[in-house]
Amino acid sequence: NAGVTQTPKFQVLKTGQSMTLQCAQDMNHNSMYWYRQDPGMGLRLIYYSASEGTTDKGEVPNGYNVSRLNKREFSLRLESAAPSQTSVYFCASSRTGGSGQPQHFGDGTRLSIL
Amino acid sequence: GDSVTQMEGPVTLSEEAFLTINCTYTATGYPSLFWYVQYPGEGLQLLLKATKADDKGSNKGFEATYRKETTSFHLEKGSVQVSDSAVYFCALSDRNQGAQKLVFGQGTRLTINP
Repeated sequence: NAGVTQTPKFQVLKTGQSMTLQCAQDMNHNSMYWYRQDPGMGLRLIYYSASEGTTDKGEVPNGYNVSRLNKREFSLRLESAAPSQTSVYFCASSRTGGSGQPQHFGDGTRLSIL
Repeated sequence: GDSVTQMEGPVTLSEEAFLTINCTYTATGYPSLFWYVQYPGEGLQLLLKATKADDKGSNKGFEATYRKETTSFHLEKGSVQVSDSAVYFCALSDRNQGAQKLVFGQGTRLTINP
């Protein structure tokens, strides 16, 4: 019963370093998402992938890139990390179509940029 | 754009007290509405949902009714337990899109004292 698995769980970077956050789901979901969670601001969508082979920007895409490697995996890359990207990052997945499809979340990656 | 506003926390109650967490939304279409819960150190879990006006979502003693006339989806529980201590997020998704992009409120931290 793995669900959505994120790696790593914690990471500390220096400003300017690059890093890729990994996400994999085993529920055969078509859609996958990356969010960031900051205090007092809820979760904000960074990028999403409605289906394998497609990606789209969310609310806060600047400074990030994504890759939908296959149906299971959706990675988030920080090319040149900045202190403003210190946050908790969550990956989620869902079925596509219909109304009210719930999203299933991983346990998050806590990222600190010094 | 779409938005969700939750009552500000933190909220502290005694065990067996009645809980209400207010949530109102702004949306151009006919969104689906959700409550997610986040326990310490974990990702978000779906608590309940409603997909059309006057629907009532319920789970684990929690309830929320989709009120189109007041654009609200308030979360209620008749008798809270210490184990209900968590952060609660109200969210909406546009039902017309293939990928269920979620818009979250800022979250309400709930603490239940024995």
